[in-house]
Amino acid sequence: DVKVTQSSRYLVKRTGEKVFLECVQDMDHENMFWYRQDPGLGLRLIYFSYDVKMKEKGDIPEGYSVSREKKERFSLILESASTNQTSMYLCASSPRGGYTFGSGTRLTVV
Amino acid sequence: GDSVTQMEGPVTLSEEAFLTINCTYTATGYPSLFWYVQYPGEGLQLLLKATKADDKGSNKGFEATYRKETTSFHLEKGSVQVSDSAVYFCALSALNRDDKIIFGKGTRLHILP
Repeated sequence: DVKVTQSSRYLVKRTGEKVFLECVQDMDHENMFWYRQDPGLGLRLIYFSYDVKMKEKGDIPEGYSVSREKKERFSLILESASTNQTSMYLCASSPRGGYTFGSGTRLTVV
Repeated sequence: GDSVTQMEGPVTLSEEAFLTINCTYTATGYPSLFWYVQYPGEGLQLLLKATKADDKGSNKGFEATYRKETTSFHLEKGSVQVSDSAVYFCALSALNRDDKIIFGKGTRLHILP
């Protein structure tokens, strides 16, 4: 089975910190995605990548950046964390036609 | 743009009841349609999918039929169990190069014993 691993299940960070969320997949998928999930808003796409060193903005990229130096790893970066970035962050990868998700990282910014 | 609308929850049912969660979509062309499930504390898992009109996706007793004429993909199960309690997301993908999936807002399902 495809495995998508997010490095942390829970994180607590302070306002203004630079935060790295890591995601690794083990099935050589080209496409990888970062979403955030908030009550009442569902899943919103932050960034995605369809190849190494390629990145595309999703619907809510402001305050975030990404890095994809290797095919299996897709990192989400909060340049200066703010309280409104407290959320559940979900990483996914896909060949085409259906995602595999990681277990999520619940980030709290205090 | 493309979008997915699903019924708001929470939906509360007794065990062995019949379940329907409504989902309609707006898209150009012929998207693929999905249902994902999220159990407490976990990420999303693909439950079932359908890639063309009149296809029926099925898994774990759940079914959904791709209805192009009504732009719908309603999720059904004949007899729910307590273990089906979760959040269910309807989604579509145009399967363009970027392979983005657009999700509905999710429907929380509670099954009472």
